[in-house]
Amino acid sequence: GENVEQHPSTLSVQEGDSAVIKCTYSDSASNYFPWYKQELGKRPQLIIDIRSNVGEKKDQRIAVTLNKTAKHFSLHITETQPEDSAVYFCAASPSGGTSYGKLTFGQGTILTVHP
Amino acid sequence: DSGVTQTPKHLITATGQRVTLRCSPRSGDLSVYWYQQSLDQGLQFLIQYYNGEERAKGNILERFSAQQFPDLHSELNLSSLELGDSALYFCASSPTSGRARTGELFFGEGSRLTVL
Repeated sequence: GENVEQHPSTLSVQEGDSAVIKCTYSDSASNYFPWYKQELGKRPQLIIDIRSNVGEKKDQRIAVTLNKTAKHFSLHITETQPEDSAVYFCAASPSGGTSYGKLTFGQGTILTVHP
Repeated sequence: DSGVTQTPKHLITATGQRVTLRCSPRSGDLSVYWYQQSLDQGLQFLIQYYNGEERAKGNILERFSAQQFPDLHSELNLSSLELGDSALYFCASSPTSGRARTGELFFGEGSRLTVL
């Protein structure tokens, strides 16, 4: 089955700095890669996703890059703000049919943004 | 508010007992997913139902079972509970038709199970 490795497990930055979280996956059949943000005591929420036919995707201060050959993808957050502090999870799944919700998650990265 | 409703929010029970967690998906979503979140295992996919039928299975123990009813709500049954089953159990739903095939999972607030 799929295995997703996520690094680092914790990341501490100053407000305004950039943050980068990296993930690798093992199953070449995976072609859907979402990122979820989970604030303390809350539910995970999708912040951005990318499919294998795209190398990069941006949404305001957030961007995701995908390298299918190397089987890795990364989340980039620019101009970090204290409200970006949360746990971030990467995930992978096959996107065929109705199976894209069967996600294999990374272990999570605790991001702390210091004012 | 994601539109996914889970009950109960908290549940404390003893080892050996059986509990049922309930989930109502977003209106119109046919797929329901159950995930377990624990400190040591992270977020793990348990099982998916689509329009009443089991569609995919993950690392779900034999002591656990689920079903999706005609009104699309789902129940996760956990039996012969062990200390290690203490976790946050999330239900999620996803749109599966038309413009809504974005891939996004909408998670409920979770049911926190504590086994003593």
